[in-house]
Amino acid sequence: GDSVTQMEGPVTLSEEAFLTINCTYTATGYPSLFWYVQYPGEGLQLLLKATKADDKGSNKGFEATYRKETTSFHLEKGSVQVSDSAVYFCALSDRHLSGSRLTFGEGTQLTVNP
Amino acid sequence: GAVVSQHPSRVICKSGTSVKIECRSLDFQATTMFWYRQFPKQSLMLMATSNEGSKATYEQGVEKDKFLINHASLTLSTLTVTSAHPEDSSFYICSARDRGPKGWDTEAFFGQGTRLTVV
Repeated sequence: GDSVTQMEGPVTLSEEAFLTINCTYTATGYPSLFWYVQYPGEGLQLLLKATKADDKGSNKGFEATYRKETTSFHLEKGSVQVSDSAVYFCALSDRHLSGSRLTFGEGTQLTVNP
Repeated sequence: GAVVSQHPSRVICKSGTSVKIECRSLDFQATTMFWYRQFPKQSLMLMATSNEGSKATYEQGVEKDKFLINHASLTLSTLTVTSAHPEDSSFYICSARDRGPKGWDTEAFFGQGTRLTVV
Protein backbone atom coordinates (compact mmCIF):
# COMPACT_ATOMS: atom_id res chain seq x y z
CA GLY A 1 0.00 0.00 0.00
CA ASP A 2 0.92 3.65 -0.11
CA SER A 3 3.16 5.05 2.59
CA VAL A 4 5.11 8.15 3.52
CA THR A 5 8.24 8.15 5.63
CA GLN A 6 9.57 11.29 7.27
CA MET A 7 12.78 11.87 9.13
CA GLU A 8 12.35 11.42 12.83
CA GLY A 9 12.17 14.43 15.06
CA PRO A 10 12.26 16.42 17.04
CA VAL A 11 14.45 18.87 15.16
CA THR A 12 15.86 21.84 17.05
CA LEU A 13 17.57 24.70 15.21
CA SER A 14 18.77 28.18 15.91
CA GLU A 15 17.17 31.10 14.14
CA GLU A 16 18.51 31.63 10.59
CA ALA A 17 19.75 28.05 10.31
CA PHE A 18 19.13 25.93 7.22
CA LEU A 19 16.32 23.40 7.45
CA THR A 20 15.88 20.07 5.71
CA ILE A 21 13.14 17.60 6.59
CA ASN A 22 13.42 14.43 4.56
CA CYS A 23 10.38 12.72 3.09
CA THR A 24 10.21 9.62 0.92
CA TYR A 25 7.19 7.78 -0.35
CA THR A 26 5.94 4.59 -1.93
CA ALA A 27 2.88 4.67 -4.14
CA THR A 28 1.35 3.10 -7.19
CA GLY A 29 0.85 5.40 -10.12
CA TYR A 30 1.68 9.09 -10.00
CA PRO A 31 0.81 10.65 -6.68
CA SER A 32 0.48 14.30 -5.81
CA LEU A 33 2.69 15.34 -2.89
CA PHE A 34 2.02 17.81 -0.11
CA TRP A 35 3.59 19.40 2.93
CA TYR A 36 1.26 20.45 5.74
CA VAL A 37 2.10 22.46 8.85
CA GLN A 38 0.40 22.26 12.23
CA TYR A 39 0.89 25.00 14.79
CA PRO A 40 0.25 24.16 18.46
CA GLY A 41 -3.39 23.40 19.23
CA GLU A 42 -4.52 23.89 15.65
CA GLY A 43 -5.50 21.86 12.61
CA LEU A 44 -3.31 21.39 9.56
CA GLN A 45 -2.61 24.00 6.92
CA LEU A 46 -1.30 23.33 3.45
CA LEU A 47 2.24 24.65 3.12
CA LEU A 48 3.03 23.63 -0.45
CA LYS A 49 2.31 20.97 -3.02
CA ALA A 50 3.57 19.40 -6.25
CA THR A 51 1.46 17.37 -8.63
CA LYS A 52 4.01 15.90 -11.04
CA ALA A 53 7.63 14.91 -11.29
CA ASP A 54 10.19 17.75 -11.16
CA ASP A 55 7.60 20.23 -9.95
CA LYS A 56 8.81 22.51 -7.19
CA GLY A 57 6.35 23.68 -4.58
CA SER A 58 7.19 26.82 -2.63
CA ASN A 59 5.60 29.03 -0.02
CA LYS A 60 6.81 31.33 2.80
CA GLY A 61 10.44 30.55 2.00
CA PHE A 62 9.90 26.78 2.11
CA GLU A 63 10.57 24.65 -0.95
CA ALA A 64 10.22 21.01 -1.94
CA THR A 65 10.89 19.31 -5.28
CA TYR A 66 9.04 16.23 -6.48
CA ARG A 67 11.78 13.70 -7.30
CA LYS A 68 10.34 10.65 -8.98
CA GLU A 69 13.68 8.91 -9.41
CA THR A 70 14.36 8.96 -5.68
CA THR A 71 10.68 8.96 -4.61
CA SER A 72 11.38 11.94 -2.41
CA PHE A 73 9.87 15.32 -1.53
CA HIS A 74 12.27 16.87 0.96
CA LEU A 75 11.29 20.15 2.62
CA GLU A 76 13.88 22.92 2.79
CA LYS A 77 14.15 26.47 4.03
CA GLY A 78 17.26 28.57 3.86
CA SER A 79 16.78 30.58 7.04
CA VAL A 80 14.27 29.50 9.68
CA GLN A 81 12.50 31.79 12.10
CA VAL A 82 11.13 31.22 15.58
CA SER A 83 7.64 31.46 14.08
CA ASP A 84 8.37 28.36 11.97
CA SER A 85 8.23 26.21 15.09
CA ALA A 86 5.51 23.67 14.37
CA VAL A 87 4.90 20.08 13.30
CA TYR A 88 5.40 19.37 9.60
CA PHE A 89 3.63 16.56 7.77
CA CYS A 90 4.50 15.13 4.39
CA ALA A 91 1.54 13.58 2.57
CA LEU A 92 0.54 12.02 -0.72
CA SER A 93 -2.64 11.60 -2.63
CA ASP A 94 -2.68 8.72 -5.06
CA ARG A 95 -5.05 9.24 -7.92
CA HIS A 96 -5.62 5.52 -8.02
CA LEU A 97 -7.24 5.58 -4.61
CA SER A 98 -10.94 6.17 -4.44
CA GLY A 99 -12.10 9.00 -2.22
CA SER A 100 -8.93 11.01 -2.91
CA ARG A 101 -7.71 10.65 0.65
CA LEU A 102 -4.33 11.69 1.93
CA THR A 103 -1.70 9.38 3.35
CA PHE A 104 0.42 11.17 5.96
CA GLY A 105 3.88 10.69 7.30
CA GLU A 106 4.42 10.60 11.04
CA GLY A 107 5.15 14.30 11.32
CA THR A 108 8.32 16.09 12.35
CA GLN A 109 8.39 18.49 15.27
CA LEU A 110 10.51 21.57 14.56
CA THR A 111 11.61 23.97 17.28
CA VAL A 112 13.49 27.12 16.36
CA ASN A 113 15.28 28.92 19.16
CA PRO A 114 16.11 32.65 19.07
CA GLY B 1 -8.73 30.12 0.80
CA ALA B 2 -11.53 27.77 1.68
CA VAL B 3 -12.46 27.38 5.32
CA VAL B 4 -13.45 24.35 7.30
CA SER B 5 -14.95 25.09 10.69
CA GLN B 6 -14.86 22.46 13.41
CA HIS B 7 -16.83 22.77 16.62
CA PRO B 8 -16.30 22.55 19.53
CA SER B 9 -12.59 23.19 19.85
CA ARG B 10 -12.49 21.66 23.32
CA VAL B 11 -14.90 19.43 25.17
CA ILE B 12 -14.78 17.63 28.48
CA CYS B 13 -17.35 14.93 29.11
CA LYS B 14 -18.08 12.28 31.66
CA SER B 15 -17.36 8.65 30.96
CA GLY B 16 -20.37 6.94 29.39
CA THR B 17 -21.81 10.02 27.74
CA SER B 18 -21.82 10.87 24.02
CA VAL B 19 -20.17 13.80 22.31
CA LYS B 20 -20.91 15.25 18.89
CA ILE B 21 -18.29 17.09 16.84
CA GLU B 22 -19.33 19.16 13.82
CA CYS B 23 -17.32 19.86 10.71
CA ARG B 24 -18.57 22.47 8.25
CA SER B 25 -17.19 23.64 4.94
CA LEU B 26 -18.02 27.34 4.95
CA ASP B 27 -17.51 28.45 1.37
CA PHE B 28 -17.33 25.33 -0.77
CA GLN B 29 -19.14 22.07 -1.30
CA ALA B 30 -17.36 19.07 0.09
CA THR B 31 -18.64 15.78 -1.26
CA THR B 32 -16.06 13.98 0.85
CA MET B 33 -14.92 14.69 4.37
CA PHE B 34 -12.33 12.82 6.38
CA TRP B 35 -12.07 12.27 10.10
CA TYR B 36 -8.69 11.83 11.73
CA ARG B 37 -7.52 11.10 15.22
CA GLN B 38 -4.22 12.47 16.36
CA PHE B 39 -2.26 10.66 19.02
CA PRO B 40 0.12 12.29 21.54
CA LYS B 41 3.19 11.72 19.42
CA GLN B 42 1.50 13.61 16.60
CA SER B 43 0.77 10.87 14.07
CA LEU B 44 -2.55 11.22 12.25
CA MET B 45 -4.78 8.19 11.94
CA LEU B 46 -7.53 8.23 9.37
CA MET B 47 -10.68 6.98 11.05
CA ALA B 48 -13.24 7.21 8.28
CA THR B 49 -14.20 8.81 5.04
CA SER B 50 -17.56 10.52 5.06
CA ASN B 51 -19.50 10.76 1.83
CA GLU B 52 -22.49 13.04 1.46
CA GLY B 53 -25.72 11.10 1.37
CA SER B 54 -24.21 7.67 1.92
CA LYS B 55 -22.69 5.59 4.67
CA ALA B 56 -19.21 6.40 5.87
CA THR B 57 -16.30 4.13 5.07
CA TYR B 58 -14.40 3.19 8.19
CA GLU B 59 -10.75 2.20 8.40
CA GLN B 60 -9.82 -1.16 9.76
CA GLY B 61 -9.91 -1.28 13.53
CA VAL B 62 -12.26 1.70 13.94
CA GLU B 63 -15.53 0.79 15.63
CA LYS B 64 -18.47 1.94 13.55
CA ASP B 65 -20.92 1.80 16.44
CA LYS B 66 -18.68 3.86 18.66
CA PHE B 67 -17.74 6.56 16.18
CA LEU B 68 -20.92 7.48 14.35
CA ILE B 69 -20.49 9.62 11.27
CA ASN B 70 -23.23 11.47 9.49
CA HIS B 71 -22.74 13.53 6.34
CA ALA B 72 -26.22 14.84 5.65
CA SER B 73 -25.33 17.76 3.40
CA LEU B 74 -22.53 19.03 1.19
CA THR B 75 -21.35 21.35 3.94
CA LEU B 76 -21.76 19.39 7.17
CA SER B 77 -20.39 16.18 8.60
CA THR B 78 -20.66 15.11 12.22
CA LEU B 79 -18.72 12.63 14.33
CA THR B 80 -20.41 11.33 17.45
CA VAL B 81 -18.32 9.51 20.01
CA THR B 82 -20.82 7.28 21.78
CA SER B 83 -20.41 6.02 25.34
CA ALA B 84 -17.08 7.78 25.60
CA HIS B 85 -14.32 6.38 27.80
CA PRO B 86 -11.03 7.91 28.94
CA GLU B 87 -9.14 6.03 26.22
CA ASP B 88 -11.17 7.99 23.64
CA SER B 89 -9.53 11.19 24.85
CA SER B 90 -7.65 12.58 21.88
CA PHE B 91 -7.43 15.35 19.30
CA TYR B 92 -9.91 14.81 16.47
CA ILE B 93 -9.48 16.63 13.16
CA CYS B 94 -11.78 16.79 10.16
CA SER B 95 -10.79 17.55 6.61
CA ALA B 96 -12.69 18.33 3.44
CA ARG B 97 -11.65 18.42 -0.16
CA ASP B 98 -13.12 20.82 -2.64
CA ARG B 99 -15.03 19.23 -5.47
CA GLY B 100 -12.92 19.43 -8.58
CA PRO B 101 -12.45 17.64 -11.89
CA LYS B 102 -9.34 15.91 -10.62
CA GLY B 103 -9.99 15.21 -6.97
CA TRP B 104 -6.56 13.84 -6.27
CA ASP B 105 -4.66 17.05 -6.75
CA THR B 106 -6.87 19.56 -4.99
CA GLU B 107 -6.11 20.95 -1.61
CA ALA B 108 -7.54 19.38 1.53
CA PHE B 109 -8.75 21.92 4.06
CA PHE B 110 -8.60 21.06 7.71
CA GLY B 111 -10.69 22.06 10.66
CA GLN B 112 -9.10 23.51 13.76
CA GLY B 113 -9.43 20.23 15.62
CA THR B 114 -11.35 19.18 18.74
CA ARG B 115 -9.61 18.27 21.97
CA LEU B 116 -11.78 15.66 23.66
CA THR B 117 -11.14 14.81 27.30
CA VAL B 118 -13.20 12.06 28.90
CA VAL B 119 -13.13 12.04 32.69
